[in-house]
Amino acid sequence: TQLLEQSPQFLSIQEGENLTVYCNSSSVFSSLQWYRQEPGEGPVLLVTVVTGGEVKKLKRLTFQFGDARKDSSLHITAAQPGDTGLYLCAGGSGGSNYKLTFGKGTLLTVNP
Amino acid sequence: DVKVTQSSRYLVKRTGEKVFLECVQDMDHENMFWYRQDPGLGLRLIYFSYDVKMKEKGDIPEGYSVSREKKERFSLILESASTNQTSMYLCASSSPHYLLEAFFGQGTRLTVV
Repeated sequence: TQLLEQSPQFLSIQEGENLTVYCNSSSVFSSLQWYRQEPGEGPVLLVTVVTGGEVKKLKRLTFQFGDARKDSSLHITAAQPGDTGLYLCAGGSGGSNYKLTFGKGTLLTVNP
Repeated sequence: DVKVTQSSRYLVKRTGEKVFLECVQDMDHENMFWYRQDPGLGLRLIYFSYDVKMKEKGDIPEGYSVSREKKERFSLILESASTNQTSMYLCASSSPHYLLEAFFGQGTRLTVV
């Protein structure tokens, strides 16, 4: 069974601070995705990374896929209250496996 | 803009009722999924379907069934609702592509009393 461990589970910071959240596994994934979920809504896809060592940037968000494709990180620069939400990572194994493996998420609160 | 639509945002049902949750996607995706989300437990897969009339059990199928008669529609059925099925239910769809990027509906908050 593939597992994705996310850390920290909860994070509360002030507006303007930087932060990094992590997504780790002992399994190799063919792709890894990050989603953000706001309260009472469904998750929304932010980015997909597929190549070991890959770095993608989305405005103030920087996503990195580990060299061995077993882990990923999300770094937010100068966090804003609008960044508040649950950040989920999910791994795909490719092949005939249709399913994603989800981590339990990091709940981020950015205080004004 | 891609869209996955769930029929209800909030539902309150009584114990023992048969409950239907509907999901429609407009992306012509082959794969569709039903998850439930509970605090501390994350997203748990109930059932998924990779084609019309095809379904497979996920991690927690007990007490649920599904129906997929048309490609765009995937229904989750609670045969006899119980209080431990109170949860947030999320439908998602994806293409059978190696990236498996999922698009989610807005969720249905089900309360069983």
